Amino acid sequence: DSGVTQTPKHLITATGQRVTLRCSPRSGDLSVYWYQQSLDQGLQFLIQYYNGEERAKGNILERFSAQQFPDLHSELNLSSLELGDSALYFCASRGRQENTGELFFGEGSRLTVL
Amino acid sequence: GENVEQHPSTLSVQEGDSAVIKCTYSDSASNYFPWYKQELGKGPQLIIDIRSNVGEKKDQRIAVTLNKTAKHFSLHITETQPEDSAVYFCAATSSGSARQLTFGSGTQLTVLP
Repeated sequence: DSGVTQTPKHLITATGQRVTLRCSPRSGDLSVYWYQQSLDQGLQFLIQYYNGEERAKGNILERFSAQQFPDLHSELNLSSLELGDSALYFCASRGRQENTGELFFGEGSRLTVL
Repeated sequence: GENVEQHPSTLSVQEGDSAVIKCTYSDSASNYFPWYKQELGKGPQLIIDIRSNVGEKKDQRIAVTLNKTAKHFSLHITETQPEDSAVYFCAATSSGSARQLTFGSGTQLTVLP
């Protein structure tokens, strides 16, 4: 158990819909990262937050947005969903060393868009 | 930004044999190279990492080597066991003020009993 909690574990929805994925980082971790893992693909970095502030953006679509709340949990919002958005979405957290050290991953949220 | 290439994409070995996975990176400023193992239905987990000030690091049956001149690094697993079967990802830091990890595309390792 990494200490990172993601909900929901599975989500099935239709094209055009909007979903929210939630992540609770390890206790005390300030950084939260979101990654997308599509079929046969590696881990694509989407966005990073540190102590409530956006720190870095990767290949995140404009239809996607995220935020980190004062209690440090984070939400990834995916809107106007397309079939190609079907993927595993991972959240990871890291301690007070913002840019080095181990990333602790949750078990992921599997999104299926029909 | 950083680009990490990983080979092979799939690897099958007999139990007890060694396995080697190789990665190359593009950004000469990268200085942190972790390896993650992802078991079925789980998130990736760090198994070993190396920083650019060393050329090799070992932890029991796993080792990582780094060649900064050639910009490549490798994971070596000796005496493989069925529980080593998983997807392995290499990664490297990107340059810039926000140094997030860039991952390779993964290697599916299967250890045959």
